[in-house]
Amino acid sequence: RKEVEQDPGPFNVPEGATVAFNCTYSNSASQSFFWYRQDCRKEPKLLMSVYSSGNEDGRFTAQLNRASQYISLLIRDSKLSDSATYLCVVNLYGIRGSARQLTFGSGTQLTVLP
Amino acid sequence: DVKVTQSSRYLVKRTGEKVFLECVQDMDHENMFWYRQDPGLGLRLIYFSYDVKMKEKGDIPEGYSVSREKKERFSLILESASTNQTSMYLCASSHNDRAYEQYFGPGTRLTVT
Repeated sequence: RKEVEQDPGPFNVPEGATVAFNCTYSNSASQSFFWYRQDCRKEPKLLMSVYSSGNEDGRFTAQLNRASQYISLLIRDSKLSDSATYLCVVNLYGIRGSARQLTFGSGTQLTVLP
Repeated sequence: DVKVTQSSRYLVKRTGEKVFLECVQDMDHENMFWYRQDPGLGLRLIYFSYDVKMKEKGDIPEGYSVSREKKERFSLILESASTNQTSMYLCASSHNDRAYEQYFGPGTRLTVT
């Protein structure tokens, strides 16, 4: 079983739509959680951290549910520029590896259509 | 701006050749990483280093070795390239104070024939 699992998609949505991605992680002792974004043929970049209380950055909202071991990302009012692959990322510090090591999901592909 | 550079964007090598992939970062980051990225498998950690001359195995170290002689440079070595090592190789670095934010290089597309 993969440590971090995501629906690969693709999600094809019209501009202005709201879209949500989920990600599950297998180790209940995982410490911290993030979303990265990877544009086509580009390198991944940090999008936002994910907290139990939920956090919002403009049109993006991230939520963590520790009891169910899933992380979500909600994008409101989708823009063409949101088209990318969204990577769910978990830090397994204290479980395996070090605080510096991240485990990446394989990503969910989003295409926003005009 | 943090900059992570990789020595080549595209590389074609023959089976059995020794391959060196170089990565340099300019932000004095302590931590450096080598990943490979394959469709459906995502990013998989090969090796990482948290200090000069220190290295730690990641999830898939077999067939690879690394070298970190200077803080800014982290090299990935394929001792004897095989076709199953055809992949996109990504280098990343991070600072201890924000270890969750890794900065990636543009990647090297390696093809082994």
